[in-house]
Amino acid sequence: DVKVTQSSRYLVKRTGEKVFLECVQDMDHENMFWYRQDPGLGLRLIYFSYDVKMKEKGDIPEGYSVSREKKERFSLILESASTNQTSMYLCASSFPQSRQGIGEQYFGPGTRLTVT
Amino acid sequence: GNSVTQMEGPVTLSEEAFLTINCTYTATGYPSLFWYVQYPGEGLQLLLKATKADDKGSNKGFEATYRKETTSFHLEKGSVQVSDSAVYFCALGPNQAGTALIFGKGTTLSVSS
Repeated sequence: DVKVTQSSRYLVKRTGEKVFLECVQDMDHENMFWYRQDPGLGLRLIYFSYDVKMKEKGDIPEGYSVSREKKERFSLILESASTNQTSMYLCASSFPQSRQGIGEQYFGPGTRLTVT
Repeated sequence: GNSVTQMEGPVTLSEEAFLTINCTYTATGYPSLFWYVQYPGEGLQLLLKATKADDKGSNKGFEATYRKETTSFHLEKGSVQVSDSAVYFCALGPNQAGTALIFGKGTTLSVSS
């Protein structure tokens, strides 16, 4: 079974802190994604990566950065956390469409981040 | 661009009632279609999928048919249970240029006994 794990289920940080959210997948997937989920807004793509050291901005990249130094690990970084970044953060991974042909994504359990 | 529209919730049903959650899409080409489910406090799980027109995806009593003529992928279940209470997301597969799924905003289902 595909397993996507996230470093924390719940996290509380103060405004201005630097925050790292870690995601690890064990299926040798090339693609990895970070979303945030907010009531009424659904899932919004922050960043994705299609290979080690490669990244692409999603729909809402402002205030975030990412790092992918190893194929299995994709980190989301909040350089200076703000209260409007309080949200549920979801990581996902997938094979590229060219390899799998479908694009199905596998999700981690999520990290609920509260910034006070 | 490609997009997904699903019915707004919440949907409130009694146990054993029939469920329909509507999903329509706009897309170039013929992408795959998915339904994901999110139980309280958890991440998203793939519920079912369809990869081409007229395909029917099914799992755990849920079904959805890829309808190209109506650009729809409605989720149905004949008899819901309390344990089906969750948020359901319709998603459109990546096109040839992109790699991310496009999600609807989600529909909350609440089933009471």
